[in-house]
Amino acid sequence: AQSVTQPDIHITVSEGASLELRCNYSYGATPYLFWYVQSPGQGLQLLLKYFSGDTLVQGIKGFEAEFKRSQSSFNLRKPAGHWSDAAEYLCAVAPRYNNNDMRFGAGTRLTVKP
Amino acid sequence: NAGVTQTPKFQVLKTGQSMTLQCAQDMNHNSMYWYRQDPGMGLRLIYYSASEGTTDKGEVPNGYNVSRLNKREFSLRLESAAPSQTSVYFCASSEGRQVGNEQYFGPGTRLTVT
Repeated sequence: AQSVTQPDIHITVSEGASLELRCNYSYGATPYLFWYVQSPGQGLQLLLKYFSGDTLVQGIKGFEAEFKRSQSSFNLRKPAGHWSDAAEYLCAVAPRYNNNDMRFGAGTRLTVKP
Repeated sequence: NAGVTQTPKFQVLKTGQSMTLQCAQDMNHNSMYWYRQDPGMGLRLIYYSASEGTTDKGEVPNGYNVSRLNKREFSLRLESAAPSQTSVYFCASSEGRQVGNEQYFGPGTRLTVT
């Protein structure tokens, strides 16, 4: 069955330290891949997406993600966390044969300590 | 541009009552979606409308009905609300025909069924 897993429910980093949020998927073929950020009480904002080509994708707010086909992963990274990065991060995938059927991971809550 | 708007923002229902959640987008998007978000489960797709005049079931359609009123508006109806439908509901839209199909989200409706 198709699934998206975010193994870490909650991650805490110190301000200025690097951060990495993990995302794994289980699909028959490489799907479209997305990372969204959700601030408290807010809707979702797209950080970045992967469709094809270069496996290292740059997004907004200084985030990047790397697609690794061999590991079925699409991990989100940032070299130096900032207090404003504290939020919920959701990985999402959509199959290429029906890109309307988007599935989300359970989310990772990021806390940034001063 | 307002983007995707949802009404109401908050609602409390008693078990068995009915209500309709409204969603509108002003981006001339072809596709629209309804999701629910529950703690620890990420977002789950309820229904989507790939284009005006069509609707399809998502991952969790039971207990819901939808209407694509026109290209701008997509409503979600709960005919007989149950406590299990207590959730935050998000509407989204996308161009629908592009590769990857990035979705834009509304601010959400917090629904409590007692």
